[in-house]
Amino acid sequence: GAVVSQHPSRVICKSGTSVKIECRSLDFQATTMFWYRQFPKQSLMLMATSNEGSKATYEQGVEKDKFLINHASLTLSTLTVTSAHPEDSSFYICSALKGDTEAFFGQGTRLTVV
Amino acid sequence: GQNIDQPTEMTATEGAIVQINCTYQTSGFNGLFWYQQHAGEAPTFLSYNVLDGLEEKGRFSSFLSRSKGYSYLLLKELQMKDSASYLCAVLDSNYQLIWGAGTKLIIKP
Repeated sequence: GAVVSQHPSRVICKSGTSVKIECRSLDFQATTMFWYRQFPKQSLMLMATSNEGSKATYEQGVEKDKFLINHASLTLSTLTVTSAHPEDSSFYICSALKGDTEAFFGQGTRLTVV
Repeated sequence: GQNIDQPTEMTATEGAIVQINCTYQTSGFNGLFWYQQHAGEAPTFLSYNVLDGLEEKGRFSSFLSRSKGYSYLLLKELQMKDSASYLCAVLDSNYQLIWGAGTKLIIKP
């Protein structure tokens, strides 16, 4: 199967700082990547769809200026949580679309804002 | 509404075989995932099925029947380290990932 690497797996940051999470497709090119967020004991929530070379499409209720997404190449998408606050503490997962139908997931990033 | 059902808890013996079932009702279907999650850790990807049939990967196999809205995860030669929660998740037509509540698998010596 295809491999998607997400880094870092865990990060602790101070309130007010920014954190960047990387999502890389290691052995295939991904025009489309997805970013999800999971709250404790709840289902994953799709935050945005990242398209290589164009602006990301954000789901309703997700702040574009707070969650900056950059998909600059066919193998890398980044999510930057700007001016992080404790309520941003969560589990973030990316997935990359191989072809039209196969989605491969990263390992996830547990963000803790203190 | 969208719904994923899987048993809350299962118990099995080391060295044995266990099958964890998952049934789903979702708006559209773009694949079904099985994840393993140990307490306090991020889920680990196990398998992805988008076509009907059985996918085998070492000790783990996953089966899908789209017409029945049904999947199972089969674990063979159980080891103590397999004690974990197993999560079934379906990617719907909008690429939203719908998660089941998870099945806690307890392995006994």
